[in-house]
Amino acid sequence: QSVLTQPPSVSAAPGQRVTISCSGNNSTIGDNYVSWYQQLPGTAPKLLIYDNDKRPSGIPDRFSGSRSGSSATLGITGLQTGDEADYFCGTWDSSLDVGVFGGGTKVTVL
Amino acid sequence: EVQVVESGGGLVKPGGSLRLSCEASGFNWISYTMAWVRQAPGKGLEWVSSIRRGGENTHYAESVKGRFTISRDNAKNSVHLQMNGLRAEDTGDYYCARVRARYYGAGTSHCVDVWGNGTTVTVSS
Repeated sequence: QSVLTQPPSVSAAPGQRVTISCSGNNSTIGDNYVSWYQQLPGTAPKLLIYDNDKRPSGIPDRFSGSRSGSSATLGITGLQTGDEADYFCGTWDSSLDVGVFGGGTKVTVL
Repeated sequence: EVQVVESGGGLVKPGGSLRLSCEASGFNWISYTMAWVRQAPGKGLEWVSSIRRGGENTHYAESVKGRFTISRDNAKNSVHLQMNGLRAEDTGDYYCARVRARYYGAGTSHCVDVWGNGTTVTVSS
């Protein structure tokens, strides 16, 4: 059971938009910044979003992040077949003093 | 090129021990917290342990406390994970992770901005 809660899967047609939610509590997302990761099949995760809404160099602006209260959201616009992957949210847990992740959401392009 | 490379995974019997190592290159090692993140087969990510820049502060997931020990050698740009009392549920890919840690007034930010390719640990009799 992951500390952060994500939907197991989302799907949409090419070119459409999807959003992935990530729910925590006051000691996780409510108290700390959120990051998002993309894991393509058979590869290591890659950082997509940090500090709730910032993109590392090289990440297209089709990917966006936001945080409100104890929840966060990842948005992907202009969906492409290459976006099919697992997406994980992450943050720090101020009570447990450790990093925590969501269970992951599989994005399928129909 | 910024990279971290893991080694030391393998097959071990329940109750056994294993020592994972990670060597880093291409960045100012002493400036970063380092961590180990694992992923059981077909499952999500789990933050196993992390160690701050000077090695003075370490953190562990409840699932590994008392069994795993993280350490770093700042002279060799390396971090290690000593795993004792291994269990079947410790099976998975173990990733070495560079952590971008920032302490803002509105909270802290810990994200993994560099990941290794992972090393596989299998605990089975």
